[in-house]
Amino acid sequence: AQSVTQLGSHVSVSEGALVLLRCNYSSSVPPYLFWYVQYPNQGLQLLLKYTSAATLVKGINGFEAEFKKSETSFHLTKPSAHMSDAAEYFCAVSDRGGSQGNLIFGKGTKLSVKP
Amino acid sequence: DTAVSQTPKYLVTQMGNDKSIKCEQNLGHDTMYWYKQDSKKFLKIMFSYNNKELIINETVPNRFSPKSPDKAHLNLHINSLELGDSAVYFCASAGSSGNTIYFGEGSWLTVV
Repeated sequence: AQSVTQLGSHVSVSEGALVLLRCNYSSSVPPYLFWYVQYPNQGLQLLLKYTSAATLVKGINGFEAEFKKSETSFHLTKPSAHMSDAAEYFCAVSDRGGSQGNLIFGKGTKLSVKP
Repeated sequence: DTAVSQTPKYLVTQMGNDKSIKCEQNLGHDTMYWYKQDSKKFLKIMFSYNNKELIINETVPNRFSPKSPDKAHLNLHINSLELGDSAVYFCASAGSSGNTIYFGEGSWLTVV
């Protein structure tokens, strides 16, 4: 069975600092991995996804994530935090490849950005 | 144009009432979903339909009944609402050739 663990329910960084949000996964099949962002009172927006191509994935808003099979990790990073990055971030794994599957989500990490 | 749209966005209703949330996608996708986000922000799949056929039905009370009149629509009807049904309900869709699930803006349901 697939599962996702996000380490740290709340991460706080200063504006301009490195953002690192941690995600570890467990999957019985080659995983498809996703990061979504949710701004207050809004829906989920896809940041980036890993689907067995390049292990370093670049997404929107300057975010990127690296798939490390040996560590079963898919951590999200951004070199320099901006105030507008404050949001809830969710890591997810597809329970099977392709569109017939559904997403198994982590519990989310709330990112706060201090001026 | 909004890709996945759901209405209403906010809904406050009394216990025991019956309510529906409508969802439409204009992406031409074959698969549609309902996810529930609880008060702790935890997201979990409720239902999945592919070409109007029920694919996934997680452990959800029978009071929740999805209806898919066509590939572009997946509505959620809830009978006899309970306080614990208060949550954010997200509709989503995915295409057969892709592997990305696109979410709607969410429907905030409050049962009082």
